[in-house]
Amino acid sequence: TQLLEQSPQFLSIQEGENLTVYCNSSSVFSSLQWYRQEPGEGPVLLVTVVTGGEVKKLKRLTFQFGDARKDSSLHITAAQPGDTGLYLCAVPTGNQFYFGTGTSLTVIP
Amino acid sequence: NAGVTQTPKFRILKIGQSMTLQCTQDMNHNYMYWYRQDPGMGLKLIYYSVGAGITDKGEVPNGYNVSRSTTEDFPLRLELAAPSQTSVYFCASSYSRPGTVHQPQHFGDGTRLSIL
Repeated sequence: TQLLEQSPQFLSIQEGENLTVYCNSSSVFSSLQWYRQEPGEGPVLLVTVVTGGEVKKLKRLTFQFGDARKDSSLHITAAQPGDTGLYLCAVPTGNQFYFGTGTSLTVIP
Repeated sequence: NAGVTQTPKFRILKIGQSMTLQCTQDMNHNYMYWYRQDPGMGLKLIYYSVGAGITDKGEVPNGYNVSRSTTEDFPLRLELAAPSQTSVYFCASSYSRPGTVHQPQHFGDGTRLSIL
């Protein structure tokens, strides 16, 4: 059983469409991070959410932390080919970070 | 700005060979991590270190060893390579303990390792 479940696993959409990906758990976390990983590179942090119900925006990306701090969503408006990549959520557990399995997004021009 | 540097970028090993994956960071970070990434499996933690001289096992440590003699360097050793160790390996670092001050992990670009 995965600590973090991400859905969908794969997503292929046309440029200009909107999409939402999810990171779910049955556990409560003090914070949650979203990373994007482009092919051939390491993950890069996009955002950290801390407070239940918190919404953060990064240009066309909107991140929300669930009220109970068990889940999070990432919404992309008007997706562009540059958004293509693997989106990973991660949570701190003791001295470690635990990562979800990721959502692989392809935006077709 | 170098950040986290991993070498080599690619390597092919024969079953039973050994090798060391190098990782160095120039940000004076205390925490360092080794992950492996398999298709569809996300990142699995192999080993981590909270400072020079201190290491601990992660989720998938079998078949690997690490050392942390300096703050900057955190090499990962494969003693007897097996096909199951074919993967992409990422080294990462962070300034403080996860969750304390919401510091990000900084990742290297990975080492792609094939065991044949």
